[in-house]
Amino acid sequence: DQQVKQNSPSLSVQEGRISILNCDYTNSMFDYFLWYKKYPAEGPTFLISISSIKDKNEDGRFTVFLNKSAKHLSLHIVPSQPGDSAVYFCAASLSWGKFQFGAGTQVVVTP
Amino acid sequence: DVKVTQSSRYLVKRTGEKVFLECVQDMDHENMFWYRQDPGLGLRLIYFSYDVKMKEKGDIPEGYSVSREKKERFSLILESASTNQTSMYLCASNPRGARSYEQYFGPGTRLTVT
Repeated sequence: DQQVKQNSPSLSVQEGRISILNCDYTNSMFDYFLWYKKYPAEGPTFLISISSIKDKNEDGRFTVFLNKSAKHLSLHIVPSQPGDSAVYFCAASLSWGKFQFGAGTQVVVTP
Repeated sequence: DVKVTQSSRYLVKRTGEKVFLECVQDMDHENMFWYRQDPGLGLRLIYFSYDVKMKEKGDIPEGYSVSREKKERFSLILESASTNQTSMYLCASNPRGARSYEQYFGPGTRLTVT
């Protein structure tokens, strides 16, 4: 049973607009959340993370929001750029780095 | 830069064969992981190791075993390959006590079992 769910398999957004990726989880004991980005034929690369004691973390164009009461995580990319076209995975950890991953969302940024 | 390398990008094996997937990291990380990635299922943890000769089962260890004889190398073994093990296999590592737990991934091995 998947404890981390990304219900949107794909997202298309215009260049310059905001991309919003969503992730839901079921286990309230998760203590750390990460987003990874994956290009074809490459391994995932770390994008941004957030601890369960925070509700927002920002890094340049990327912001992650955590709503613990709703067990919901979102990633905002502003403004979206063509190089952001990739698959995005959210991941949640119960301990020291053993993660549960979502199924991924394919983002396509159009000119 | 952290480098995680995997021995093959593509492999084709026959049902029943013993298959070895090798992973090497060059950053002296204590923790190493093997995942498989399947469409609609994301990444699922097969095994992980937090030290040489130490291993723990992940979420889907059935049909797999691992070996970690040296700190930098973590091998995934398919004892008798089956068609349902056709998948993308990803190796990852991170240091013990990493603040954000981020993992560094290799490029993946696309395994096809016929």
